[in-house]
Amino acid sequence: DAGVIQSPRHEVTEMGQEVTLRCKPISGHNSLFWYRQTMMRGLELLIYFNNNVPIDDSGMPEDRFSAKMPNASFSTLKIQPSEPRDSAVYFCASSLDTLRLQYLGEQYFGPGTRLTVT
Amino acid sequence: ELKVEQNPLFLSMQEGKNYTIYCNYSTTSDRLYWYRQDPGKSLESLFVLLSNGAVKQEGRLMASLDTKARLSTLHITAAVHDLSATYFCAVSYTGNQFYFGTGTSLTVIP
Repeated sequence: DAGVIQSPRHEVTEMGQEVTLRCKPISGHNSLFWYRQTMMRGLELLIYFNNNVPIDDSGMPEDRFSAKMPNASFSTLKIQPSEPRDSAVYFCASSLDTLRLQYLGEQYFGPGTRLTVT
Repeated sequence: ELKVEQNPLFLSMQEGKNYTIYCNYSTTSDRLYWYRQDPGKSLESLFVLLSNGAVKQEGRLMASLDTKARLSTLHITAAVHDLSATYFCAVSYTGNQFYFGTGTSLTVIP
């Protein structure tokens, strides 16, 4: 299993540009999470999907952020327009639904996308 | 809102010493997780604790869970440099959502 795949691994862009981050979850997992990590704020949950449906997007900072999951094997996180304060490492994670008691519910993290907005 | 607190936030210890990282959480939860993050890397799952009194061990790390006290500990035995990393605990509540602690940055000094 290739694990959670994220692209790009690094992104440098100018303020005002649109940025799209991509994630492919582990095959068979039905929950997907987007996190942002910074030194100042630590690890923050932005949004999570269950069976491709957004369940909780209360962590999305503002309207400039949007996330989609068109199918079980792909999700995007878009920032438009980007600002320097969006600079962070963005992680995608996936898991199996813990309501299925035989599963442990661990989240498996991708390698992250390091975003720098200048 | 569920809160997860770790202490200490920073830990510097000498090789060969023992120490414990604490994770307190505010609301009853059925699962607790420990993760490790190396600098510039992603988070790696270490332990999953499912019930009161659960204890898991891997090498020099041992994790335990006391659901009545809402407390988990990560004990480090005879620390070695390779254990230097940031350790996170996370609690699951209302299904799949995780609440992560602030992390404990551990530095093991030779």
